[in-house]
Amino acid sequence: GAVVSQHPSRVICKSGTSVKIECRSLDFQATTMFWYRQFPKQSLMLMATSNEGSKATYEQGVEKDKFLINHASLTLSTLTVTSAHPEDSSFYICSARTGLTYEQYFGPGTRLTVT
Amino acid sequence: AQTVTQSQPEMSVQEAETVTLSCTYDTSESDYYLFWYKQPPSRQMILVIRQEAYKQQNATENRFSVNFQKAAKSFSLKISDSQLGDAAMYFCAYRSADFGNEKLTFGTGTRLTIIP
Repeated sequence: GAVVSQHPSRVICKSGTSVKIECRSLDFQATTMFWYRQFPKQSLMLMATSNEGSKATYEQGVEKDKFLINHASLTLSTLTVTSAHPEDSSFYICSARTGLTYEQYFGPGTRLTVT
Repeated sequence: AQTVTQSQPEMSVQEAETVTLSCTYDTSESDYYLFWYKQPPSRQMILVIRQEAYKQQNATENRFSVNFQKAAKSFSLKISDSQLGDAAMYFCAYRSADFGNEKLTFGTGTRLTIIP
């Protein structure tokens, strides 16, 4: 149980375009989802927290207009990187939490490369 | 703000031996949770073990155990009988017990190598 999927696993896009990453909880309802960013050989940094049906809460320094997060249902959250630039190339990981536990379950991550 | 420090960027251990990974944290809260996550080359984050701060007893999960020293704000991970599959990055993480503050704060990680 408690499986989180992400799609796509890898994506390459051209500079200036937008790319959407999906995060799904497959066997539970996720009241809260989290988006992290991980640069090579570095730790995970929380970008934003999203609760179903409400606006995401972004961490300091994260551009909300660039990283659009939507949590429209209890099993799906999306991260859209708008007008992507090479410096946005990174590994993006989502996690999800049910309303019953404090534990976060992580997706397998999405590697974004902007050329 | 809470901080988590892992002072060992890399560690290595002989297969079947025991290794301890260090983690310290800083917080003004009295109730919180601590975690150790494993990130193998696949990059999938895997929960290894968790500790509730209000519990004095150290958590154990098979070959994995922690030494939780609340006063010293220390939370080390001991891996016994190390196996090749234990090779990975290990991250220590902190989470407030306040459900209004759910963010996980991660340390910088320790890369563990298992020597056959």
